[in-house]
Amino acid sequence: AQSVAQPEDQVKVAEGNPLTVKCTYSVSGNPYLFWYVQYPNRGLQFLLKYITGDNLVKGSYGFEAEFNKSQTSFHLKKPSALVSDSALYFCAVREINNTGNQFYFGTGTSLTVIP
Amino acid sequence: KAGVTQTPRYLIKTRGQQVTLSCSPISGHRSVSWYQQTPGQGLQFLFEYFSETQRNKGNFPGRFSGRQFSNSRSEMNVSTLELGDSALYLCASSRTGGFTDTQYFGPGTRLTVL
Repeated sequence: AQSVAQPEDQVKVAEGNPLTVKCTYSVSGNPYLFWYVQYPNRGLQFLLKYITGDNLVKGSYGFEAEFNKSQTSFHLKKPSALVSDSALYFCAVREINNTGNQFYFGTGTSLTVIP
Repeated sequence: KAGVTQTPRYLIKTRGQQVTLSCSPISGHRSVSWYQQTPGQGLQFLFEYFSETQRNKGNFPGRFSGRQFSNSRSEMNVSTLELGDSALYLCASSRTGGFTDTQYFGPGTRLTVL
């Protein structure tokens, strides 16, 4: 079963406009959710995570994410997009497997911010 | 504090050869995980090491193996390379690999198999 899904392969937004990158999850028990960003030919950079507490999580570079338990979603948001935000974004969840726990990553969403 | 480092950054091999990739975690981190990233399959978990022991394993053939040393540095080995092994191999470290732990990634090793 897919633990985390990113329904949009690509998102395009104009510079200065708000952006949203969508993520939904499906896990048993409490979800531990993460967002990462990947620039070309680079590794993944951590943006933010939800463990418990406030549903609105603030992270690096002005990004935030809203945890919605009823909709099983953890969408990444930013009030005003920058051209430099153009990158590949991954949602991830830690889940128990038969040998311990591991990260499951979504398929990624390519964000393009148009000047 | 220095980040996760991986060597080499780029590697070209031919089918049938073997390769060893190296990862040095962030100081104080004891958990090291390896991932394979390809355009078609995305990010796939290979295995995790903690305190020199493989604690977790993904669904990859036995040609993929790894180990961890007492200083938490880790190596990943792929034997009898196939064309489909061409990928970006990412290493990530975290303090303990616990549920709430954040993984920090290295820049990756780009492996091309000819």
